[in-house]
Amino acid sequence: GAVVSQHPSRVICKSGTSVKIECRSLDFQATTMFWYRQFPKKSLMLMATSNEGSKATYEQGVEKDKFLINHASLTLSTLTVTSAHPEDSSFYICSGTGRTNYGYTFGSGTRLTVV
Amino acid sequence: QQPVQSPQAVILREGEDAVINCSSSKALYSVHWYRQKHGEAPVFLMILLKGGEQKGHEKISASFNEKKQQSSLYLTASQLSYSGTYFCGTEMVNTGNQFYFGTGTSLTVIP
Repeated sequence: GAVVSQHPSRVICKSGTSVKIECRSLDFQATTMFWYRQFPKKSLMLMATSNEGSKATYEQGVEKDKFLINHASLTLSTLTVTSAHPEDSSFYICSGTGRTNYGYTFGSGTRLTVV
Repeated sequence: QQPVQSPQAVILREGEDAVINCSSSKALYSVHWYRQKHGEAPVFLMILLKGGEQKGHEKISASFNEKKQQSSLYLTASQLSYSGTYFCGTEMVNTGNQFYFGTGTSLTVIP
């Protein structure tokens, strides 16, 4: 089945530094990639939608200059958390679709802790 | 934009049935259902594309009422492995291709 590889799975960084999270679709072309964040015991909140070759569409309240999304190819999308702060600590997860009618394939998630 | 699920949480004994509902304030193009275990990524269960469509596999099925902008997930003869948090995911009509998750339903199956 379709697989999205996401890494790192866990990262701890200092306040003020930037962290890049990568998602690669291994056996399908992800024309669209979604990025979510999830707080403990909460739902996944859509941060942005990116289509290959286009600028990402950010949800209301999500700072585009803070959460930089790049989807330069059909198999790779990246989320960079810039100038991270402790309140950015969360579980970040990507999901890709190639419109196969088999739902959206999720990465395994990245647990970000900012200290 | 976020669909609302009910109930928020449910506890079942093995073998009992459960229904989880998902309601949207906007017209839906499709509804997906996912199950998430603690600390893991959501796992796709099924997708419903047409109004009135009902799909399922094993003892888990779902319906999609396009007019009411609702979907329901049915779990019959629940097993311990069904425990987790269930999310509906929705593609809405005329909102681009954003995909929103519902508020979630925590399901616990006990022996």
